[in-house]
Amino acid sequence: EDKVVQSPLSLVVHEGDTVTLNCSYEVTNFRSLLWYKQEKKAPTFLFMLTSSGIEKKSGRLSSILDKKELFSILNITATQTGDSAIYLCAVEATGNQFYFGTGTSLTVIP
Amino acid sequence: DAMVIQNPRYQVTQFGKPVTLSCSQTLNHNVMYWYQQKSSQAPKLLFHYYDKDFNNEADTPDNFQSRRPNTSFCFLDIRSPGLGDAAMYLCATSRDPSAMRLHFGNGTRLTVT
Repeated sequence: EDKVVQSPLSLVVHEGDTVTLNCSYEVTNFRSLLWYKQEKKAPTFLFMLTSSGIEKKSGRLSSILDKKELFSILNITATQTGDSAIYLCAVEATGNQFYFGTGTSLTVIP
Repeated sequence: DAMVIQNPRYQVTQFGKPVTLSCSQTLNHNVMYWYQQKSSQAPKLLFHYYDKDFNNEADTPDNFQSRRPNTSFCFLDIRSPGLGDAAMYLCATSRDPSAMRLHFGNGTRLTVT
C-alpha cells in the first residue's frame, strides 16, 4: 500500500533553534516529493524535489531528497515564531496519484 | 480507518460539459474544503463549508459551485469546464475552521478535452 509517513507528529522548540522534519515514503512510480507549510487555510508550497541529493534552499529553509532510502528532510534554521505551522509532505506518483502525510505540527515559542 | 475519499480518481470531460466531483468523509468533521491544484503550484482554496454554511473565496469563478447535502458528502460542480480548469481537485476536512490540521483526500485529476 502506498503511504507517506512524517515524523515527528509534533515538535515544540525555542526561537533560534534548528529543526529537522522527516518524511519517508513507499510510493510506486514516484514522480516528485513536495513540502508545504500549512497555516489556517490553503497550504503554502515550499519545495518540489525530483532528484536525489540536490538540496533546495529558500532563506532559512532547505530540503533534500534521498530516492534510494525513500525519504526527505526539511530543515529550518534560526526558527522564528512565524514558522509555527503544520508542515505537510506529499508524494506525487505517475498516473497523477497524490499522497499526503499527516503532517508535523511545529510550535516555536519565544 | 477514518478517511477522506474522493471519486473518481481521474475524470475526463469535454469543453463546456458539466462535471461533478465527489468527496466523502468518515471523520465526522464539521468543515469540508475544496482546493484546486495546478502543476507545481500550491493548492488554491475554492470554497469551504462549515456545517451547512457555504464560504466562497473572493476569486473563485462563478463556474465553480458546491453542494453539501449532509455532513459526510460534498460535491464540486463545474458548470462549463474550460481548458484552464484542468487540474487536481483536492477535498479536505477539519474538525472546525480554527483547526490547523487538514485531512486531505487523494484528489481527482480532471482533464478537459
